[in-house]
Amino acid sequence: AQSVAQPEDQVNVAEGNPLTVKCTYSVSGNPYLFWYVQYPNRGLQFLLKYITGDNLVKGSYGFEAEFNKSQTSFHLKKPSALVSDSALYFCVLNAGNNRKLIWGLGTSLAVNP
Amino acid sequence: NAGVTQTPKFQVLKTGQSMTLQCAQDMNHEYMSWYRQDPGMGLRLIHYSVGAGITDQGEVPNGYNVSRSTTEDFPLRLLSAAPSQTSVYFCASSYSEGGPAFFGQGTRLTVV
Repeated sequence: AQSVAQPEDQVNVAEGNPLTVKCTYSVSGNPYLFWYVQYPNRGLQFLLKYITGDNLVKGSYGFEAEFNKSQTSFHLKKPSALVSDSALYFCVLNAGNNRKLIWGLGTSLAVNP
Repeated sequence: NAGVTQTPKFQVLKTGQSMTLQCAQDMNHEYMSWYRQDPGMGLRLIHYSVGAGITDQGEVPNGYNVSRSTTEDFPLRLLSAAPSQTSVYFCASSYSEGGPAFFGQGTRLTVV
């Protein structure tokens, strides 16, 4: 069965420190993976995607994600966190014949000044 | 460039009332979908459409109807509102079923 997991409900980091938001997936074929961000009281915004190719994917707002097939992970990273990065982050899997999106439960990121 | 527009932003309904949540996109996307977002449950797919005249059920379709008469519009109808339908609803569109999705700003619905 296809699934995606975000093992941390909340991540706290200090401004200026690197951040990592974790995501693992389970799929029988090749995954398409996405990260979305939801700022407070706003809609969701696409950050980045992995389809094929380089395992390090660069996205919006200085974020990047590393695809690791052996560990079935797709962790979101940023070298230096900003307070404005505080938001809810969703890892999303697209796999299978119907190609519908499977959403993680989200990780709340809090960046402290 | 409007993107995906949802109306209304907020709505309070009484149990048993019906209403339609509107969604329109101006990007000529074929694929549109409706999600509900509840605390601790992430986003759950209600209905989706792969093109005008074609709709299908998602994960939680009961109590909701959709239609897709044009590429641009994808309204969601609540037939008889129930308190369990209190949620935040998001409409999304994408150029393909697997492509990055563009979301509307959401409708916060409260059923009392």
